[in-house]
Amino acid sequence: AQSVTQLDSQVPVFEEAPVELRCNYSSSVSVYLFWYVQYPNQGLQLLLKYLSGSTLVKGINGFEAEFNKSQTSFHLRKPSVHISDTAEYFCAVSDSRSDTGNQFYFGTGTSLTVIP
Amino acid sequence: DAGVIQSPRHEVTEMGQEVTLRCKPISGHDYLFWYRQTMMRGLELLIYFNNNVPIDDSGMPEDRFSAKMPNASFSTLKIQPSEPRDSAVYFCASSLTGPRFFGPGTRLTVL
Repeated sequence: AQSVTQLDSQVPVFEEAPVELRCNYSSSVSVYLFWYVQYPNQGLQLLLKYLSGSTLVKGINGFEAEFNKSQTSFHLRKPSVHISDTAEYFCAVSDSRSDTGNQFYFGTGTSLTVIP
Repeated sequence: DAGVIQSPRHEVTEMGQEVTLRCKPISGHDYLFWYRQTMMRGLELLIYFNNNVPIDDSGMPEDRFSAKMPNASFSTLKIQPSEPRDSAVYFCASSLTGPRFFGPGTRLTVL
């Protein structure tokens, strides 16, 4: 089974500063990778996904992530954050050979707080 | 598409009462998932369906929990009888392959 590690449970950052949220996964098999955002009292919204191709993936709201196979990482970045980016961010991974069903693993989440 | 639809959005009930949560997946998606989210345990997969058939219910905490999917556009999660420790946000999600798409959730409070 896969495991997903989000190294930082809380990340405070000043408005307009850059941010990186870290995500590492356990398996070396071919994987699909995802980042979700959860705003207060809302469901999880897909930010971006890596299925294949370019290792740099661009998502909504100016976020991007880079797939690094050798380091088994998929860190999320934004060059300049806004107050509205305050939310919980979840990294997720699935085995690309069997990405349906229960083979879909979430990290524990990183709470991003943007400080005015 | 309207996305995954869940109802009710909020439910407050008393211990011992029956609770039914409802979900309409995205049209065309053949997988449906029920998750529970709490501060203590994070996101937990309770059960999932493929083509309306329950495939894995190993995450269902107790026999008090049951789920059905009578057709491709509707699923229910029932708790009977409810207990205070069932208080959580319950999410429904659907997918084809790749990412799950989540509904807005039902916040359940059992007094």
